[in-house]
Amino acid sequence: NAGVMQNPRHLVRRRGQEARLRCSPMKGHSHVYWYRQLPEEGLKFMVYLQKENIIDESGMPKERFSAEFPKEGPSILRIQQVVRGDSAAYFCASSPSATGELFFGEGSRLTVL
Amino acid sequence: GQQLNQSPQSMFIQEGEDVSMNCTSSSIFNTWLWYKQDPGEGPVLLIALYKAGELTSNGRLTAQFGITRKDSFLNISASIPSDVGIYFCAGQFSPGGGADGLTFGKGTHLIIQP
Repeated sequence: NAGVMQNPRHLVRRRGQEARLRCSPMKGHSHVYWYRQLPEEGLKFMVYLQKENIIDESGMPKERFSAEFPKEGPSILRIQQVVRGDSAAYFCASSPSATGELFFGEGSRLTVL
Repeated sequence: GQQLNQSPQSMFIQEGEDVSMNCTSSSIFNTWLWYKQDPGEGPVLLIALYKAGELTSNGRLTAQFGITRKDSFLNISASIPSDVGIYFCAGQFSPGGGADGLTFGKGTHLIIQP
């Protein structure tokens, strides 16, 4: 499977817990993006990373949210002390160098109880 | 920030009909993309447009990049049941040539009535 892989597909957390979402980009892609989607809404940009660097995090909340894309391994979106408003689908996308064609994973659906 | 207005919000059509949807922006884009999303899945790229005025087809789908660079439309001809889903436009403006994040419209829900 050469597509963007995200896991877990579904995650349930209680308020105050931590959520970690993982994304393995397509082979050969070094650009990773995270988007959040609320029901009946479009996708909202959160953060853009290249290997070991955060390029643009203008869409990410300043507190509790962080993202990384280490030299080895998947990109991780981390949400600390989750609240109910964090419940959403989180999509990862990857692209080869600067083309604008983003290829999306199937998403991770976070439910905060 | 940049905003995309996508319309219509939803469409109820008969199988076999043609479909048209569009997006307008408050600012210019260098790239327009159209995606389709099925329930529980991630968006899948349908068509990518890179030049103002460009008209591109992919099977029964046709999309155009507006001359002003502030709008794009997507047409689907002779709709079939598997066309049901949510269609998103997305625009990108990358002055430095980098692959910055896309700005998405809110989507057009396409529903096909039997």
